Amino acid sequence: SAVISQKPSRDICQRGTSLTIQCQVDSQVTMMFWYRQQPGQSLTLIATANQGSEATYESGFVIDKFPISRPNLTFSTLTVSNMSPEDSSIYLCSVEREVSYNEQFFGPGTRLTVL
Amino acid sequence: GESVGLHLPTLSVQEGDNSIINCAYSNSASDYFIWYKQESGKGPQFIIDIRSNMDKRQGQRVTVLLNKTVKHLSLQIAATQPGDSAVYFCAERAGNNRKLIWGLGTSLAVNP
Repeated sequence: SAVISQKPSRDICQRGTSLTIQCQVDSQVTMMFWYRQQPGQSLTLIATANQGSEATYESGFVIDKFPISRPNLTFSTLTVSNMSPEDSSIYLCSVEREVSYNEQFFGPGTRLTVL
Repeated sequence: GESVGLHLPTLSVQEGDNSIINCAYSNSASDYFIWYKQESGKGPQFIIDIRSNMDKRQGQRVTVLLNKTVKHLSLQIAATQPGDSAVYFCAERAGNNRKLIWGLGTSLAVNP
């Protein structure tokens, strides 16, 4: 397994500002993922972040809105830019070792409220 | 305030009873399936997984059944306890594609 921490755990932000969420893992992992989860709903993948390459974004998500950094094998950041109330959500990072049939482990999430 | 989300299907069971949570998956090419448990305010927690070359796998108090013919997955929880109250998600993956496809989730409520 992997121990994953996220900062901040929650935040309340003003419209038009940006927030950077940090994800730290206790061991080196190849693959890191960022998800968004609206209240009472399932998880939606934002992007896959692999060290040494550009993040791969899912349909409906763009780099200008959700820039991602992956400077090493234990850390990643997701920035939510120019926020609006529609960005209010839980943001989760997850990690996976690049082994066949291997589960993803999740961080505790960052609960974001945009006013 | 928070936006109103979709209402998750809810399963209510009595403490001590067995629970069965069902999931229909979409991709016939999926070959790996996972069940996650998500408690309020926490990230999803891995429960059990199964590969497509199996139809049953057991863990501690949990069993996953896979029926590839009808693309159906189920999670059975034996002797359900109050601590099992959570939202349960199934997820599927196909081949080398690392992207998980998530189900909508089922809320399990355990009545004492």
